Amino acid sequence: DQQVKQNSPSLSVQEGRISILNCDYTNSMFDYFLWYKKYPAEGPTFLISISSIKDKNEDGRFTVFLNKSAKHLSLHIVPSQPGDSAVYFCAASAQTSYDKVIFGPGTSLSVIP
Amino acid sequence: DAGVIQSPRHEVTEMGQEVTLRCKPISGHNSLFWYRQTMMRGLELLIYFNNNVPIDDSGMPEDRFSAKMPNASFSTLKIQPSEPRDSAVYFCASSAITGNQPQHFGDGTRLSIL
Repeated sequence: DQQVKQNSPSLSVQEGRISILNCDYTNSMFDYFLWYKKYPAEGPTFLISISSIKDKNEDGRFTVFLNKSAKHLSLHIVPSQPGDSAVYFCAASAQTSYDKVIFGPGTSLSVIP
Repeated sequence: DAGVIQSPRHEVTEMGQEVTLRCKPISGHNSLFWYRQTMMRGLELLIYFNNNVPIDDSGMPEDRFSAKMPNASFSTLKIQPSEPRDSAVYFCASSAITGNQPQHFGDGTRLSIL
């Protein structure tokens, strides 16, 4: 049973517009969430994270929103750039073992020039 | 600064052969992780080490899989004997040991078992 879900396998957005990637989780013990970006033939790269004590974290063009009651988080990229085209993984971990990170299946984002 | 280094980048071998994947973590990182990525199961954690000690190997699929970390700068993941269903991309990652430290991934080993 998938504990971290990304229901959209792919997303296409025009350059300059907002990209919104969604993630849902089932395990209520999760209290730390991360987003990773992955280019082909490379390993995932950490992008941004959020603790459950916050509902928003911003880093430049990237903002992550957390809705604990809905067990939902989203990554907003504004404005989207062609270089943002990659697979984005949502990931989660719990205080019992922050090392044990559970990854979602990923969403492939294409930013069209 | 050098990132996580994995070797080989690609491995093609015949079923039944022993396969050894290698990983050098980032210097100063105390935690090391082995992941496998497949189309069916996505990115799944196989095993992780803290200070060279295996902490959780519940993700290792079968006894054919084994991992070692003889020192802080080197780890191996071994499959013996290999089977076609082991074909996947295997990633190694490392992180600083304390709290919520993001993991830094290597570029992976693409393994094909014929």
